[in-house]
Amino acid sequence: GQNIDQPTEMTATEGAIVQINCTYQTSGFNGLFWYQQHAGEAPTFLSYNVLDGLEEKGRFSSFLSRSIGYSYLLLKELQMKDSASYLCAVRDGDYKLSFGAGTTVTVRA
Amino acid sequence: GAVVSQHPSWVICKSGTSVKIECRSLDFQATTMFWYRQFPKQSLMLMATSNEGSKATYEQGVEKDKFLINHASLTLSTLTVTSAHPEDSSFYICSASETSEDLYNEQFFGPGTRLTVL
Repeated sequence: GQNIDQPTEMTATEGAIVQINCTYQTSGFNGLFWYQQHAGEAPTFLSYNVLDGLEEKGRFSSFLSRSIGYSYLLLKELQMKDSASYLCAVRDGDYKLSFGAGTTVTVRA
Repeated sequence: GAVVSQHPSWVICKSGTSVKIECRSLDFQATTMFWYRQFPKQSLMLMATSNEGSKATYEQGVEKDKFLINHASLTLSTLTVTSAHPEDSSFYICSASETSEDLYNEQFFGPGTRLTVL
């Protein structure tokens, strides 16, 4: 089966930076996604990496290293509304998405 | 942008009854739709993949006779939970994509359906 690991919880201060790490072991690889999910709602797409390197989109950046099965999501200039669960998901060789358990980020004033 | 809707957004039913959940792609044709289940404080688990006009492919451990999936058109897939029991209470989320094998394509998620079985 697929194995995707990310920390359970992280806390940071408003305006700060937080980095959420994700390591994975999957059967085949066709891209890594990061989603944001607020409680009781569906995930919303944040970023997509299929090649090694950094993808930047506004306050959010995502990095991928396929050789070591590693990604991180970087959230800059944290705002209170960024408090949510962040899901790392890998698309495997069958083009199915496998999700990590999610990292709950709490932003404090 | 691509919008996926689900109906109903929440449902409460008695044990032993069946519940149907609809998933619609509103502004694009969804060749493939996915059904996920999420228990409290857990991540999304893929239940099945359905392609328009063909039978759904179920993940290991998911009973295809209990979770009936129909993808009759390019904009609609339905999930029917038959003979629901309290342990089926969960958050059911669908997603849709235009093609399952485009490396740059993403899945667009519906808002989810909260099922509570009494």
